[in-house]
Amino acid sequence: QMQLQESGPRLVKPSETLSLTCTVSGGSISSSRYFWDFIRQPPGKGLEWIASVYYIGKTYYSPSLQSRVTIAVDTSKNDFSLKLRSVTAADTAVYYCGRREGDYNGSWYSLWGQGTLVTVAS
Amino acid sequence: SYVLTQPPSVPVAPGKTARITCGGDNIGSKSVHWYQQRPGQAPVLVIYFDRDRPAGIPERFSGSNSGSTATLTISRVEAGDEADYYCQVWDSTGDHVVFGGGTKLTVL
Repeated sequence: QMQLQESGPRLVKPSETLSLTCTVSGGSISSSRYFWDFIRQPPGKGLEWIASVYYIGKTYYSPSLQSRVTIAVDTSKNDFSLKLRSVTAADTAVYYCGRREGDYNGSWYSLWGQGTLVTVAS
Repeated sequence: SYVLTQPPSVPVAPGKTARITCGGDNIGSKSVHWYQQRPGQAPVLVIYFDRDRPAGIPERFSGSNSGSTATLTISRVEAGDEADYYCQVWDSTGDHVVFGGGTKLTVL
């Protein structure tokens, strides 16, 4: 049974870089079936897609965040990571990692991590 | 970029049918997926490819998609169905994942 687990600092100072890692267990991140994504949810608000990475390293970014975001996959460690630069209080959210599957006609999240609350504050 | 519009809230009495809509430009040409999120928990997939149910999701949950509206239908609503529901598509034009704003289902 594949599982996802987010890890990283829970408190980040304004203007610094938020870094998160999602570790995949119970299966290989190198499967051609899946994309690996980060999604966030500010307190009391809806879901927002951040970025996606395929096991060969191809990346996709939200237009609203792409200038500040980098996502990368590490097949040797079976994990993928997110960096969000120049954070502000508006970046305070629960950050989820997710496994997305499907095809070019449509893809959905069949597995989610438990989520981690990251607070931006001095 | 592509926008999905959901009503903020839908009230329903126990045992009745709830319908949660997701509007988008020609959404019928896309595949729509639905998630249930209870407070403090990660979302759970309840419908994929417009109308398919993952293993373990009750038959009371069904989906449809045509024209400019996709609909999640929950029959014989139970108190445990009270949650936020989100629709989601893959926008192949921009290679983006798009979520609707979410709908809070309130069981009266």
